[in-house]
Amino acid sequence: DSGVTQTPKHLITATGQRVTLRCSPRSGDLSVYWYQQSLDQGLQFLIHYYNGEERAKGNILERFSAQQFPDLHSELNLSSLELGDSALYFCASSPRTGVVSGELFFGEGSRLTVL
Amino acid sequence: SQQGEEDPQALSIQEGENATMNCSYKTSINNLQWYRQNSGRGLVHLILIRSNEREKHSGRLRVTLDTSKKSSSLLITASRAADTASYFCATAGYLRAGSYQLTFGKGTKLSVIP
Repeated sequence: DSGVTQTPKHLITATGQRVTLRCSPRSGDLSVYWYQQSLDQGLQFLIHYYNGEERAKGNILERFSAQQFPDLHSELNLSSLELGDSALYFCASSPRTGVVSGELFFGEGSRLTVL
Repeated sequence: SQQGEEDPQALSIQEGENATMNCSYKTSINNLQWYRQNSGRGLVHLILIRSNEREKHSGRLRVTLDTSKKSSSLLITASRAADTASYFCATAGYLRAGSYQLTFGKGTKLSVIP
């Protein structure tokens, strides 16, 4: 158990809909990262927050947004969903601002299926 | 975009044999990490090697890093059925001020046959 909690574990929705994925980082970790894992693209970095502030954006679509709240939990909002958005979405946390010092701790992921 | 590229994409070995996976990357890095993922589960960190290190050990794992060739290898000795998983290398590179990005390869799928 990494200590990172993601909800929901599974989500099935229709095209055009909007969903919110939630992540609670390990106790004390200030950084939260979001990754998308699909069969064709592999693991893609989406966005990084540190202590409530956005630090870096990766391959995140404009239809997607995220935020990190004062209690450090984070939410990833996916809107106008398309079939291609079906993937595993991972949240990871670390105690520091970046991956220079060490590892990321991953949650078990939220599996999104868009029908 | 993927920076690390693992080789082979899939590997099948007998229990007790050694498994070697390779990773190549393109740009300069601060460190390189290896992660394991059991089917459909979260990634678990295995080992981190910094750019100024050449070799690192952790239990049955040995990682090497050759920055001149921009490559790394992960060796799992005396493999067990429980080692069956996908293994990913991830490179930590500078993205912009205050942020490094961990970029993952597509992974090597290891099957250890009992």
